[in-house]
Amino acid sequence: DTGVSQDPRHKITKRGQNVTFRCDPISEHNRLYWYRQTLGQGPEFLTYFQNEAQLEKSRLLSDRFSAERPKGSFSTLEIQRTEQGDSAMYLCASSIRASGTHEQFFGPGTRLTVL
Amino acid sequence: AQSVTQLGSHVSVSEGALVLLRCNYSSSVPPYLFWYVQYPNQGLQLLLKYTSAATLVKGINGFEAEFKKSETSFHLTKPSAHMSDAAEYFCAAHTGTASKLTFGTGTRLQVTL
Repeated sequence: DTGVSQDPRHKITKRGQNVTFRCDPISEHNRLYWYRQTLGQGPEFLTYFQNEAQLEKSRLLSDRFSAERPKGSFSTLEIQRTEQGDSAMYLCASSIRASGTHEQFFGPGTRLTVL
Repeated sequence: AQSVTQLGSHVSVSEGALVLLRCNYSSSVPPYLFWYVQYPNQGLQLLLKYTSAATLVKGINGFEAEFKKSETSFHLTKPSAHMSDAAEYFCAAHTGTASKLTFGTGTRLQVTL
């Protein structure tokens, strides 16, 4: 069990550029979540996959955001035409449906800075 | 909608003193409850979880929390603070039907000598 990994850990981009983040969940976990955390706040839910199906999206996920999990393993989160307000820590978490406790395991996060 | 409230965005204690971090939830159905810790520029690490098996839950690093349905609370305690406990602490809830965790705004714990 190597834990949830995220890449890159840090990303600095200019406003208007596109960025893509990757998340590799714990291997047997079939549920994957993306959260966004701004300074001084708790994580806020963005979207959720069960296997390859995206089952829920938050209203925070504007049209500029898209997430995929093509083979039910790793996931990518893309932000198009980045804005300064997108600067945040993007956290990925995974869980196993059969656990019954709904415990989610978090990765180290990707910190995005939009200049 | 589910909500989680953490009273006190900053708590400062002396090393060796009792740590008490407060969390209240709003839900008509007792949710699953969690405490996570976050160190600077890192992800969240689970400290402990309440899943209705026992109202007093023991976690890692000497932390424990007590679920009180009558008070809709799940406060986190540790008898004796260590310098290494300085971090941000988040309370979170899961209703069991929704997919997401709902987090409080966090409490930053400072431990002084």
